[in-house]
Amino acid sequence: DVKVTQSSRYLVKRTGEKVFLECVQDMDHENMFWYRQDPGLGLRLIYFSYDVKMKEKGDIPEGYSVSREKKERFSLILESASTNQTSMYLCASSRGQKPTDTQYFGPGTRLTVL
Amino acid sequence: KQEVTQIPAALSVPEGENLVLNCSFTDSAIYNLQWFRQDPGKGLTSLLLIQSSQREQTSGRLNASLDKSSGRSTLYIAASQPGDSATYLCAVIRGSSNTGKLIFGQGTTLQVKP
Repeated sequence: DVKVTQSSRYLVKRTGEKVFLECVQDMDHENMFWYRQDPGLGLRLIYFSYDVKMKEKGDIPEGYSVSREKKERFSLILESASTNQTSMYLCASSRGQKPTDTQYFGPGTRLTVL
Repeated sequence: KQEVTQIPAALSVPEGENLVLNCSFTDSAIYNLQWFRQDPGKGLTSLLLIQSSQREQTSGRLNASLDKSSGRSTLYIAASQPGDSATYLCAVIRGSSNTGKLIFGQGTTLQVKP
């Protein structure tokens, strides 16, 4: 079974803090994704990576950056957390370059910025 | 710009009833469509994936159909059970995408009453 894990289920941070959200997958997947999910807005893609050290902006990249130094790990970084970044963050991975490959999701990290 | 809409936003049915969830998308040029399930506070689980060349997919009590020309998909759940209570999300991959970027609807929250 594919397993996607996220470092924290719940996180509380203060405005202005630098925040790291970690995601690890154990199936040698090429693609990894970060989404945020908000009531009334659904899931929106923040960033994705299709290979080590490769990344592309999604639909809402402002205020975020990412790092993929190893194939299995994809980190989302909030350089200076703000209250409007309070949200549920979901990481996903998929096998390869084919857009037909299923995405597998982690359990999510609920981030609260005070 | 591709937009995905799910109606209704919420649905409550008695146990044993057959039900249909609806998903519509504005651009028929898609690679595939996926249906996901999300339990409260959890990540997403893939239920069914329909390739653009397919008309339907079945898994157990679930049947998903796809009509690209009309921009519609339905998820049929037979003999609903309380354990089916969850939020159901549909998502499409744009035809121009080569990296599997999903565009999600906002979901239908289903409650099956015993």
